[in-house]
Amino acid sequence: IAGITQAPTSQILAAGRRMTLRCTQDMRHNAMYWYRQDLGLGLRLIHYSNTAGTTGKGEVPDGYSVSRANTDDFPLTLASAVPSQTSVYFCASSPARGGTDTQYFGPGTRLTVL
Amino acid sequence: AQSVAQPEDQVNVAEGNPLTVKCTYSVSGNPYLFWYVQYPNRGLQFLLKYITGDNLVKGSYGFEAEFNKSQTSFHLKKPSALVSDSALYFCAPPNDYKLSFGAGTTVTVRA
Repeated sequence: IAGITQAPTSQILAAGRRMTLRCTQDMRHNAMYWYRQDLGLGLRLIHYSNTAGTTGKGEVPDGYSVSRANTDDFPLTLASAVPSQTSVYFCASSPARGGTDTQYFGPGTRLTVL
Repeated sequence: AQSVAQPEDQVNVAEGNPLTVKCTYSVSGNPYLFWYVQYPNRGLQFLLKYITGDNLVKGSYGFEAEFNKSQTSFHLKKPSALVSDSALYFCAPPNDYKLSFGAGTTVTVRA
């Protein structure tokens, strides 16, 4: 079944540790996105990639980094986790960059930083 | 840039009754508007979108939305709600490369 997979499903992490959230899509979409969802704040964009080899910063990029070595994978790395990064993280993709393209979301990763 | 407002944090309806989730927009130029749904402990799922054309847009799971330019609204509707429609609903305008999501509207359908 085509779609987006994220791993892990959930994780508890000690503050200061490094963590990489994985995201893979098999729809050959050019654009990919990382959002975090916090209660009462909706979804906020962390980083995005319009195509393989390029990345950009969203609304809340501090403390996060991404890479886009190929079309399918878009990992999100927390270099040194802090408790404020406790959240649910969603990866999404769309066929192309642009506001009129439908975005497709993965199931999410629930991250708790203690 | 576009922005939307979902004036109701929560909507409660009985199963079988009509369901409406409200969204009003503010935009300069032609509006593009999306509706997404998030079921408990799941990712967001696309329901429908308005880009251009017919003002009545039909989407997934029996939902539809009417684009009303004079009222600057794009309300989501379902004629007969199901308990399984209980979820968080987002009206989202695209701004350049991203969708802008607010806190959404929580819909509870009681049996």
